[in-house]
Amino acid sequence: SYELTQPPSVSVSPGQAASITCSGNKLGNENVCWYQQRPGQSPVLVIYQNNRRPSGIPERFSGSRSGNTATLTISGTQAMDEADYYCQAWHSSLAVFGGGTTLTVV
Amino acid sequence: EVQLVQSGPEVRRPGESLKISCKGSGYNFDTYWIAWVRQMPGKGLEWMGVIFPGDSDSRYGPSLQGQVTFSADKSISTAYLHWSSLKTSDTAMYYCARRDSQSLTLWGQGTLVTVSS
Repeated sequence: SYELTQPPSVSVSPGQAASITCSGNKLGNENVCWYQQRPGQSPVLVIYQNNRRPSGIPERFSGSRSGNTATLTISGTQAMDEADYYCQAWHSSLAVFGGGTTLTVV
Repeated sequence: EVQLVQSGPEVRRPGESLKISCKGSGYNFDTYWIAWVRQMPGKGLEWMGVIFPGDSDSRYGPSLQGQVTFSADKSISTAYLHWSSLKTSDTAMYYCARRDSQSLTLWGQGTLVTVSS
């Protein structure tokens, strides 16, 4: 089955940039989106089509893709950004989520 | 307001059946696919599949085929997730979400299903 691999955890200091990667062996051919899930809440889309931000998502959230690796970058990370982040892509008409990355702001 | 509102938490015993719901409002419900996503306790998001309320065309994730059934009633803008015989391993939070192109742009609040003897 197709898999997307994310690091389990990333730590960042407030005000610094945080990067979360997502890799998959066919990711270069697919569009990637990213979701933020704060504790006890439903997921929220923060990036779609690799690098597009939905309305209402702060500009500090950005996405990129190089080869088979997609990256979510949060510039000027704030305490409110502490959450789980999931990448998601489509493969053979089925959606796949990455395993998720817990972002800790310390 | 554009939203998806899910039914409340459920507690069932193994072997029992269950149907949970997801009601859309504020948009044309039968023209967007609805996805179902499972999140087991302390775990990540897992794609279950999608249903198109306009004609109830359904696509199931490979691990869920035969374990659950999707349905929809477009007249009341509601999608359903049904189990005929629950297992303890079905204990999880279940989310519905609206699919826009290749993203899930609108999520319900989730329904917690607990299966315990």
